[in-house]
Amino acid sequence: EAGVTQSPTHLIKTRGQQATLRCSPISGHTSVYWYQQALGLGLQFLLWYDEGEERNRGNFPPRFSGRQFPNYSSELNVNALELEDSALYLCASSLVGSPNYGYTFGSGTRLTVV
Amino acid sequence: EDQVTQSPEALRLQEGESSSLNCSYTVSGLRGLFWYRQDPGKGPEFLFTLYSAGEEKEKERLKATLTKKESFLHITAPKPEDSATYLCAVPGGNYQLIWGAGTKLIIKP
Repeated sequence: EAGVTQSPTHLIKTRGQQATLRCSPISGHTSVYWYQQALGLGLQFLLWYDEGEERNRGNFPPRFSGRQFPNYSSELNVNALELEDSALYLCASSLVGSPNYGYTFGSGTRLTVV
Repeated sequence: EDQVTQSPEALRLQEGESSSLNCSYTVSGLRGLFWYRQDPGKGPEFLFTLYSAGEEKEKERLKATLTKKESFLHITAPKPEDSATYLCAVPGGNYQLIWGAGTKLIIKP
């Protein structure tokens, strides 16, 4: 069974540009979660999508947005990139929108803003 | 407020030196506790799920236990490849996992 896949693995952008990160969940998982992990820090919750709808978002500015497609894959968009957006962005999926079953994570996208 | 606290923040052990990591939680109505392992630059890897006090799970040199207020991850005779950050999490009231800050484990050969 394929796990959660994220692309690209690495992304280098210039301040002010836009970045698009992609995630494919495990087959059968309808929920996708996005997290930001800055170097040496913990997981910061960004966004939760389930059945194509945004269900919850963390304490991040509106320039962090995303969407979930009919096949449950998801993309995260970060507009007007700032240097402090440099981080590992992790996508996770879970079954039927419940955290009671835990999450399965992808390997992440390392975003570097220069 | 739902909260998860892990201790210690970092733990350095010699190869073969057993120890335990702690995860204490404050949540109304525990619906599971999860342990993950995270290597640098990688996504967290699922280790265990515990659902009720008294439950224990084992995997190689790791054993996770759960009480009504905390969970322990016991590491027996660790090897350098066990070095990683260990994270615990519990489901919160808003359909999210509440994460601890993690314990960075370093095993010296």
